[in-house]
Amino acid sequence: QQPVQSPQAVILREGEDAVINCSSSKALYSVHWYRQKHGEAPVFLMILLKGGEQKGHEKISASFNEKKQQSSLYLTASQLSYSGTYFCGTGNSGGYQKVTFGTGTKLQVIP
Amino acid sequence: GAGVSQSPSNKVTEKGKDVELRCDPISGHTALYWYRQSLGQGLEFLIYFQGNSAPDKSGLPSDRFSAERTGGSVSTLTIQRTQQEDSAVYLCASSHGLAGLVWGNEQFFGPGTRLTVL
Repeated sequence: QQPVQSPQAVILREGEDAVINCSSSKALYSVHWYRQKHGEAPVFLMILLKGGEQKGHEKISASFNEKKQQSSLYLTASQLSYSGTYFCGTGNSGGYQKVTFGTGTKLQVIP
Repeated sequence: GAGVSQSPSNKVTEKGKDVELRCDPISGHTALYWYRQSLGQGLEFLIYFQGNSAPDKSGLPSDRFSAERTGGSVSTLTIQRTQQEDSAVYLCASSHGLAGLVWGNEQFFGPGTRLTVL
C-alpha cells in the first residue's frame, strides 16, 4: 500500500523551515527519501532503517519512528535549490528491494 | 561514469500500436525497476528485476504490459495495443541490489521516456 505524505504542497520563503511527513499502514523496514525537480529524474537523498535513527544531508535531515510507522523529513534554512517534489518510499522487507513511493509533496521556495 | 540511460526520450504513437522502451542500467547493478509517472502524480511501481528474473511483476497494469531483462543488464518494457491512458513518463532505475546493505538500496533513476498515445 502506498504511504501517505503530508502536506501535499508547501510554499516557503528562503530561510524558513519545513517538515514533510510520511506515514505507512504497514510495518516498515526502511524509508527512502528522494527529490525530483521539474522535468528531471528523482534524486536520492537518504535511506533510514528501522530503529528511529536520524540522518542528515546538508541542511536536510530525517527521522524514522518504527512504532508509529512514520518518517519525517526536516528542511532547515531552506534555499531556492530545495524546490521540487519530495517523495518518500517505504520498504517492507530487508531482503527485497521493492520500494513503494508516496504521491509526493511539492515544495516551492521563494525569495 | 555513465548513469542510467533510457531510450527513446520521447515517443509519440497512435492508439493500438505497440511500443518498446529501453533501459540501460548502471554497469554492475543487479536490481532494475520500472516506474510510471503520470502528469503531476507520484511514482507508480511496475516491475522489479533481480538479475534477469522478475520476482515482482505486481505493478504491471494489464497483460498488455510486459518486460524482460537480458544478460543482467539491458531491460525492455513493451506495451502492446497502446491506449491513451498509457500516456505517461516511464522511469527506469537501478541499484546494487545487495539485500541487507543500506548502500545497496539507493536507486539511480534514468531521465525517463515520455510516451504520448494519440
